Amino acid sequence: QQQVKQSPQSLIVQKGGISIINCAYENTAFDYFPWYQQFPGKGPALLIAIRPDVSEKKEGRFTISFNKSAKQFSLHIMDSQPGDSATYFCAASWGSGGGADGLTFGKGTHLIIQP
Amino acid sequence: EAQVTQNPRYLITVTGKKLTVTCSQNMNHEYMSWYRQDPGLGLRQIYYSMNVEVTDKGDVPEGYKVSRKEKRNFPLILESPSPNQTSLYFCASSLSLTRDRYNEQFFGPGTRLTVL
Repeated sequence: QQQVKQSPQSLIVQKGGISIINCAYENTAFDYFPWYQQFPGKGPALLIAIRPDVSEKKEGRFTISFNKSAKQFSLHIMDSQPGDSATYFCAASWGSGGGADGLTFGKGTHLIIQP
Repeated sequence: EAQVTQNPRYLITVTGKKLTVTCSQNMNHEYMSWYRQDPGLGLRQIYYSMNVEVTDKGDVPEGYKVSRKEKRNFPLILESPSPNQTSLYFCASSLSLTRDRYNEQFFGPGTRLTVL
């Protein structure tokens, strides 16, 4: 079964610090790796995504680092703010037309940024 | 406003009483999907639909049914709910997975279901 393994399950970071969430995948056919952010009482929303033709993608304070050989990717949140407190899900899918599956999600990381 | 709507948002029911959770999107999306979210298990796909009249099982389809008779609607049906179906349910949609798999999935606000 396709899997995306996410760690840690929960994370507490001081305001202004760097939050790092890691994911690993098994299926080498995966070629799209988005991160979703979920606030309490809301549905997940796309935060940032990467394709394996690049090793890093940055959008504001959020950066995805991708290591194709290790089959790992991570989310870095620089200068973490209390408003970043949320649950973060990594995900993966294959975009090359194989199969009809959508996204395979990690189990989520509950991030708390302490003021 | 482009959005995915779900109803009801909260539902408490009893074992065996059939229920339907509605999902509607106003973005003309072809792809729609249902997920359940449980603590420690993340988001697991129940069913998905690539287009009207095309549905298929996800990872955890047992005990659920779906239909896609119109492009905008994708209801989730629990014919005989059981306590292990107590969960938070999300509907999602995206433009298309046949033409471009890199489309963003838009999620609804969730339906919290409790089966007693």
